[in-house]
Amino acid sequence: KAGVTQTPRYLIKTRGQQVTLSCSPISGHRSVSWYQQTPGQGLQFLFEYFSETQRNKGNFPGRFSGRQFSNSRSEMNVSTLELGDSALYLCASRGGLVSSYEQYFGPGTRLTVT
Amino acid sequence: AQSVTQLDSHVSVSEGTPVLLRCNYSSSYSPSLFWYVQHPNKGLQLLLKYTSAATLVKGINGFEAEFKKSETSFHLTKPSAHMSDAAEYFCVVSPAGGTSYGKLTFGQGTILTVHP
Repeated sequence: KAGVTQTPRYLIKTRGQQVTLSCSPISGHRSVSWYQQTPGQGLQFLFEYFSETQRNKGNFPGRFSGRQFSNSRSEMNVSTLELGDSALYLCASRGGLVSSYEQYFGPGTRLTVT
Repeated sequence: AQSVTQLDSHVSVSEGTPVLLRCNYSSSYSPSLFWYVQHPNKGLQLLLKYTSAATLVKGINGFEAEFKKSETSFHLTKPSAHMSDAAEYFCVVSPAGGTSYGKLTFGQGTILTVHP
């Protein structure tokens, strides 16, 4: 099976702009989660989607939003970018919602905000 | 609420010597616990998971971890380090219930350096 794919891999944006990141889960996986990784804060949970519904949300401002499509692909949007949004954004998919299901991570999208 | 503490931010070993990466967790519900590894500029790869079955869990590449409920620990070990083990390791907890259901909480990571 192909793994989790994320596009684009690298992105440079200017403060104030918005950005959309895309994630395609492993075939058959209906759960997609997003994480932000920064040197200072480490890995932080953004949100999880399952069957097109947001199931859980982390402690991020409303500028961070997401959605999931009927084919389980997911997008994450960040509006009004700030310098502090520069990070590696990781997407993960899993086969079910029970906590014992491990999450499989994509390679990430490196976002740089200037 | 749940939390994870990785007790060492950096661990340095010589090739061929044992590896010990320490992790303590806190969770209001019976957790699932994971160890992930991240090589530079890569995503995270699952090493092993604990899900309330055997307390000694074997993973890939010779790694294993032991779940100790009384000590709320889930330390990662490997008998003999290899140069390719140099990476950052994350201990992760996912509760089995409650409002944080399904939400992974990561430790701050331990950078493992392996010297020849």
